[in-house]
Amino acid sequence: NAGVTQTPKFQVLKTGQSMTLQCAQDMNHNSMYWYRQDPGMGLRLIYYSASEGTTDKGEVPNGYNVSRLNKREFSLRLESAAPSQTSVYFCASSVGTDNSPLHFGNGTRLTVT
Amino acid sequence: TQLLEQSPQFLSIQEGENLTVYCNSSSVFSSLQWYRQEPGEGPVLLVTVVTGGEVKKLKRLTFQFGDARKDSSLHITAAQPGDTGLYLCAGARTSYDKVIFGPGTSLSVIP
Repeated sequence: NAGVTQTPKFQVLKTGQSMTLQCAQDMNHNSMYWYRQDPGMGLRLIYYSASEGTTDKGEVPNGYNVSRLNKREFSLRLESAAPSQTSVYFCASSVGTDNSPLHFGNGTRLTVT
Repeated sequence: TQLLEQSPQFLSIQEGENLTVYCNSSSVFSSLQWYRQEPGEGPVLLVTVVTGGEVKKLKRLTFQFGDARKDSSLHITAAQPGDTGLYLCAGARTSYDKVIFGPGTSLSVIP
């Protein structure tokens, strides 16, 4: 039982490059989330998908786009990477958005130079 | 200003000592969750508290939700090196709000 799987684990980009972070869950969860984690800031919500076919902005959506490809997969795209997007990105899933527990992947460490 | 504050930010103690970490807010929360995160991994849920004044125990860990549902504490008895990690509190103000995370307390337990 893999839970939440994120790829890649590490990535280095140059300013202006684009990339897509992939996330898949095998728990049949309805809701999926993308967070970024920066030192001293905790986890900040970028985008979420309450259910298949819907996406909504979180606290820090600027510079990002998402796609809920199907119930299992939720991707995060950086169209033109900036140094301020250097961070560790976590994908999570939950049964619903009603405070049910979040299950996290192991993160993608992204550096933008 | 963060909606959820955690203290202390860093804590280093000897194996066998007791400790308490705190999660505070000026807002009322419908529930609070505690997660532990180890280096290179994602956070893992420890407990959810939903009732003001509630106390939950998980082996050597005791979690309390304040009567006014604005704060929570985590007490660890006889800390062990395996308790080392980042402890995050997270909460939602209503059952339909998204969960907000505090900045975390980084705990190091020295053998």
